[in-house]
Amino acid sequence: EAGVVQSPRYKIIEKKQPVAFWCNPISGHNTLYWYLQNLGQGPELLIRYENEEAVDDSQLPKDRFSAERLKGVDSTLKIQPAELGDSAVYLCASSLRGGPILTDTQYFGPGTRLTVL
Amino acid sequence: AQSVTQLDSQVPVFEEAPVELRCNYSSSVSVYLFWYVQYPNQGLQLLLKYLSGSTLVESINGFEAEFNKSQTSFHLRKPSVHISDTAEYFCAVSDQAGYSTLTFGKGTMLLVSP
Repeated sequence: EAGVVQSPRYKIIEKKQPVAFWCNPISGHNTLYWYLQNLGQGPELLIRYENEEAVDDSQLPKDRFSAERLKGVDSTLKIQPAELGDSAVYLCASSLRGGPILTDTQYFGPGTRLTVL
Repeated sequence: AQSVTQLDSQVPVFEEAPVELRCNYSSSVSVYLFWYVQYPNQGLQLLLKYLSGSTLVESINGFEAEFNKSQTSFHLRKPSVHISDTAEYFCAVSDQAGYSTLTFGKGTMLLVSP
């Protein structure tokens, strides 16, 4: 079974440029997450989708970040315009939420390493 | 809201020696606990998790962790490490209120040398 796929793996851009990251979750997973991982830190949630609905985007800087999950499968995270401080690894994860246990195992993709110059 | 503290940013150890990576959490509600491992240039992989039942949980590659509610800890241990265990280890917590958002610690880099 294929894991969570992310592209690109690496991206270098100049500040003020737009950038987009793509995520394809594990087949059948209804919940998708985008995390930000700064150097030397643990991942921090940016947004969580359940199917097509963004159910937790409280940590997403909405002035420059946007995300979408059309048809409840793939997802795109966009930054426009990028700033120097956005340099980090952007991780996508997915899980199958439901059943008697109120939590679900999240499976992570390899991440996209963004460098803003 | 929860928080996770991993006091050791780096733990150097010799091959075949035992190791303990410490994790303490803070939460006002009951939690689930996880350990993830991240190898260089790879995504996070679930190592083990505590949801309920026995407080001692084990992974397939020899790691184990014990949930201690009174000390709010979930330390990770391995009796004998290998070179291949060199990686970053993250402790994470989620609450039991029906939300699966993970709160991660800052991670501990385990460096195994021959």
